[in-house]
Amino acid sequence: GAGVSQSPRYKVAKRGQDVALRCDPISGHVSLFWYQQALGQGPEFLTYFQNEAQLDKSGLPSDRFFAERPEGSVSTLKIQRTQQEDSAVYLCASSSQRGTGGTYEQYFGPGTRLTVT
Amino acid sequence: DAKTTQPNSMESNEEEPVHLPCNHSTISGTDYIHWYRQLPSQGPEYVIHGLTSNVNNRMASLAIAEDRKSSTLILHRATLRDAAVYYCIRGSTLGRLYFGRGTQLTVWP
Repeated sequence: GAGVSQSPRYKVAKRGQDVALRCDPISGHVSLFWYQQALGQGPEFLTYFQNEAQLDKSGLPSDRFFAERPEGSVSTLKIQRTQQEDSAVYLCASSSQRGTGGTYEQYFGPGTRLTVT
Repeated sequence: DAKTTQPNSMESNEEEPVHLPCNHSTISGTDYIHWYRQLPSQGPEYVIHGLTSNVNNRMASLAIAEDRKSSTLILHRATLRDAAVYYCIRGSTLGRLYFGRGTQLTVWP
């Protein structure tokens, strides 16, 4: 079946522009995560949705970052007034995990590479 | 704070076993140990996870120390396709994963 897809795969933005990154999770997956991966580093958690509810946004680095998942499937990560330090790969992952019990594998998309010039 | 310690890099020859170590000395009793790997220009890929007992799947084995303060990911026969960054991840909150910098595995033909 189809995995997690992300679009665009590459995005170049001029400093100050707004960008929107899309994630299509695996159908039926309840949980959706966004991570940011700087060059040479491991991914860092940004935010988490369970269905349409954003249960954890503690990893968002500033109020310029905003994520939504209005119908509990597709999610969009928006970055306003982009800065050079926002340049990174943005990864989306989905999981069938419900609640906090147990542990379930996360399926990652290929990421969107954002370059801010 | 990833709260795990891994070597920055390791090397192996093709078709030889690889043992990737991870220290997680502050692990709590309910924290799972997860391993993911990331090939170049791809998102991370799940490898294996465990809590107390050793675990095996088609990709690898996970050996967990009796005190749970360390674990080892075992690739039984390395292939060139196994060259990747391997992340050892301790526990998760609401499913979120805390990645560190991982171990870069190089496999030589």
